[in-house]
Amino acid sequence: QSALTQPASVSGSPGQSITISCSGTSSDVGANNYVCWYQQHPGKAPKLMIDDVSNRRSGVSNRFSGSKSGNTASLTISGLQAEDEADYYCSSYTTNNIWVFGGGTKLTVL
Amino acid sequence: EVQLLESGGYLVQPGGSLRLSCAASGFTFSNYAMSWVRQAPGKGLEWLSAISGGGDSTHYADSVKGRFTISRDNSENTLYLQMNSLRAEDTAVYYCAKGLYKWNSQNDYWGQGTLVTVSS
Repeated sequence: QSALTQPASVSGSPGQSITISCSGTSSDVGANNYVCWYQQHPGKAPKLMIDDVSNRRSGVSNRFSGSKSGNTASLTISGLQAEDEADYYCSSYTTNNIWVFGGGTKLTVL
Repeated sequence: EVQLLESGGYLVQPGGSLRLSCAASGFTFSNYAMSWVRQAPGKGLEWLSAISGGGDSTHYADSVKGRFTISRDNSENTLYLQMNSLRAEDTAVYYCAKGLYKWNSQNDYWGQGTLVTVSS
């Protein structure tokens, strides 16, 4: 099972919006609505931000939103803040009943 | 408060074995699936394995199938990962994570990880 494809890095200025894409196949992202997004700050454990494509977890800012179209999922962060600077990983359930992660995207807030 | 505490990470020689443990507290352990995820130094996350709440269903990534075995002791609220035939590329921080549901699902709580180093 290949990893999902994410851009290695994205950047934006405070207050701006950015979108991170997560490209998969009809065997993972396109196969179901079990796509989620994790945020990881350096030296910390991952934190689940979005599950089931677009469900924001309790306590997560409404500046974070998820969506999916076909085999590609997306995470949008609006009103960028310095604290959003982190690595972001998408993950999808697959038709083989396992999970696969994207390679991760480093978000830099300029 | 949900807490997950991994242990058992160590320096081991190639070809060796190691068993990781994850002590869980703050939730009804048997009601949730559990997973192991690893992160090699400076690299991304890699899903390894998951086990259902009752322990009757397990799943593995191809990279560890046949070498790693996930198990759980619901009476002790502990998750395990038995790792055999270890290779240099298995060097990573290993995280245990709690599933959202009793079946293989997304993970809402993670431990702080335990470092496994495979080197001669």
